[in-house]
Amino acid sequence: EAGVTQSPTHLIKTRGQQATLRCSPISGHTSVYWYQQALGLGLQFLLWYDEGEERNRGNFPPRFSGRQFPNYSSELNVNALELEDSALYLCASIPPPGPISNQPQHFGDGTRLSIL
Amino acid sequence: DQQVKQNSPSLSVQEGRISILNCDYTNSMFDYFLWYKKYPAEGPTFLISISSIKDKNEDGRFTVFLNKSAKHLSLHIVPSQPGDSAVYFCAADDAGGTSYGKLTFGQGTILTVHP
Repeated sequence: EAGVTQSPTHLIKTRGQQATLRCSPISGHTSVYWYQQALGLGLQFLLWYDEGEERNRGNFPPRFSGRQFPNYSSELNVNALELEDSALYLCASIPPPGPISNQPQHFGDGTRLSIL
Repeated sequence: DQQVKQNSPSLSVQEGRISILNCDYTNSMFDYFLWYKKYPAEGPTFLISISSIKDKNEDGRFTVFLNKSAKHLSLHIVPSQPGDSAVYFCAADDAGGTSYGKLTFGQGTILTVHP
């Protein structure tokens, strides 16, 4: 069974540009989560998508946004990139019925975003 | 406001001995707790979890203990192996509150197991 896959592995951008990160959940999983891990920090929750809808959002500015497609894959978009956006962005997924069932989130290997 | 804390940034243990990693939380609404292991350049890998209705869960060499009154959980690895060397994160979930649907992570503890 393929795990959570993320692309690209690395992404280099400059300040003010826009970045798009992609995630494919494990087959059968319908909930997708995004986390940011900045250097020296723990994982910070960004967004949760379930059945195509945004269900919860962390303490990040609106320039962090995303969507979930009908096949349950997801995109994270970061607009007006700033130097402090440099981080590892991780995607995770769980199967239905979602977090109410107390199932562990399974993570991809992340996209390393570097802002120059 | 750091709701999940791992106060030990690092831990060094001899191979074959017990590793004990600790985690404290402040939000009494958390009802599901997990431990993840992370190697460099890889995503976190799920290790073991525990629901708040239990105080112990065991899986092979890994045991998680939960003390709800102290808002404390710990991960025991016995016996420790060099391949266990990694960063360990504890995480907490809250099925019914504002944290619903997201994991709150600690800062991580770097475990080094020496041969």
